[in-house]
Amino acid sequence: AQKVTQAQTEISVVEKEDVTLDCVYETRDTTYYLFWYKQPPSGELVFLIRRNSFDEQNEISGRYSWNFQKSTSSFNFTITASQVVDSAVYFCALSAQGSRDNYGQNFVFGPGTRLSVLP
Amino acid sequence: DTEVTQTPKHLVMGMTNKKSLKCEQHMGHRAMYWYKQKAKKPPELMFVYSYEKLSINESVPSRFSPECPNSSLLNLHLHALQPEDSALYLCASSQEVRGPYSTDTQYFGPGTRLTVL
Repeated sequence: AQKVTQAQTEISVVEKEDVTLDCVYETRDTTYYLFWYKQPPSGELVFLIRRNSFDEQNEISGRYSWNFQKSTSSFNFTITASQVVDSAVYFCALSAQGSRDNYGQNFVFGPGTRLSVLP
Repeated sequence: DTEVTQTPKHLVMGMTNKKSLKCEQHMGHRAMYWYKQKAKKPPELMFVYSYEKLSINESVPSRFSPECPNSSLLNLHLHALQPEDSALYLCASSQEVRGPYSTDTQYFGPGTRLTVL
């Protein structure tokens, strides 16, 4: 079975602070993909990143960076110099190849972390 | 900018009404999805269409009836809903689904906020 844990239910920071959102995953598959999505109050899920299990290089995109640590099954997301517009719910998700006989949901979302950035 | 559109944005319906949610994607994707999301919860998968055929139905009640008229369009027909069906309904698409699984990125529409009275 696959599982994604986001231990932080809610985080509040003041604008310009750095903030890290934690994501821990479980899977028995050796080939899998990890995702982060942002859901602002408007409701749409915005895709941020997709990372495959064979690529452990950290990624940086503007103020966003991701730290993938296979040894600890974690895929953490850091926002540098946070802004009010970063306020949203952030979901980490896992997708794996699975087995031929295992029909079912293979795109698993974590419970989400609500980030509030205060001015 | 998202290339997955959903209409209507908001919908209020009674328990005896029949309504439809519509989704359209313009990315040439061959897999489309319906999700249901309750407040403060992650999205829950309802249906997956692959190449216009239903490939996954996550034990959704028959009062929800999906339809995929072509590769760009996905509908969700609603009939005799219950108040507990009130939620945000999200449509998504991805490049394709190989067998029952997809590891491709799913791109989501803005959702329809449904209220059942």
